[in-house]
Amino acid sequence: AQSVTQLDSHVSVSEGTPVLLRCNYSSSYSPSLFWYVQHPNKGLQLLLKYTSAATLVKGINGFEAEFKKSETSFHLTKPSAHMSDAAEYFCVVSFLYNTDKLIFGTGTRLQVFP
Amino acid sequence: DVKVTQSSRYLVKRTGEKVFLECVQDMDHENMFWYRQDPGLGLRLIYFSYDVKMKEKGDIPEGYSVSREKKERFSLILESASTNQTSMYLCASTLGAGLSYGYTFGSGTRLTVV
Repeated sequence: AQSVTQLDSHVSVSEGTPVLLRCNYSSSYSPSLFWYVQHPNKGLQLLLKYTSAATLVKGINGFEAEFKKSETSFHLTKPSAHMSDAAEYFCVVSFLYNTDKLIFGTGTRLQVFP
Repeated sequence: DVKVTQSSRYLVKRTGEKVFLECVQDMDHENMFWYRQDPGLGLRLIYFSYDVKMKEKGDIPEGYSVSREKKERFSLILESASTNQTSMYLCASTLGAGLSYGYTFGSGTRLTVV
């Protein structure tokens, strides 16, 4: 069965330090992978996406993610956290055999301390 | 930019009421989706639609139905609201197969059933 696992439900960092949000997926098919961010009382916004092109994907607001097939991972990183990055982040997978459905991780809440 | 508009930000309904959640997108997208979001569970797909008058069950369709009479509008219907349907409901749309486009989400409707 296809699934996606976000390894941390909460991550806390200080402003200016690196951010790492971890995501692993399980699939027998070639996946497309996305990261979405949800700020309080807002809808989900697409941060970045991987669709079988370059394995290192750059997104908005300085975020990037690397697709590692051997590790079935798609971790989200940012070199230096900003207070405005505090939000909930979702790792999302879509599979080629079922192109119109997304499978969401359970989310990681990022806190940024001054 | 594509805009997905959910008509109500907050709703409070009584048990047993019939509830309509409305979603409108303005970019001629083919596919539309309804998700519910609950803490610790991420987003779960309720129903989706590939085209006008077409609908497909998602992962948790029980207690819900949908209507898509026009391409731009996708309605979620709770036939007889129950307290376990208290949740955040998110509507999304995408242009085509979805793999390369990502999804555009509305801001959500927080429904409380009392």
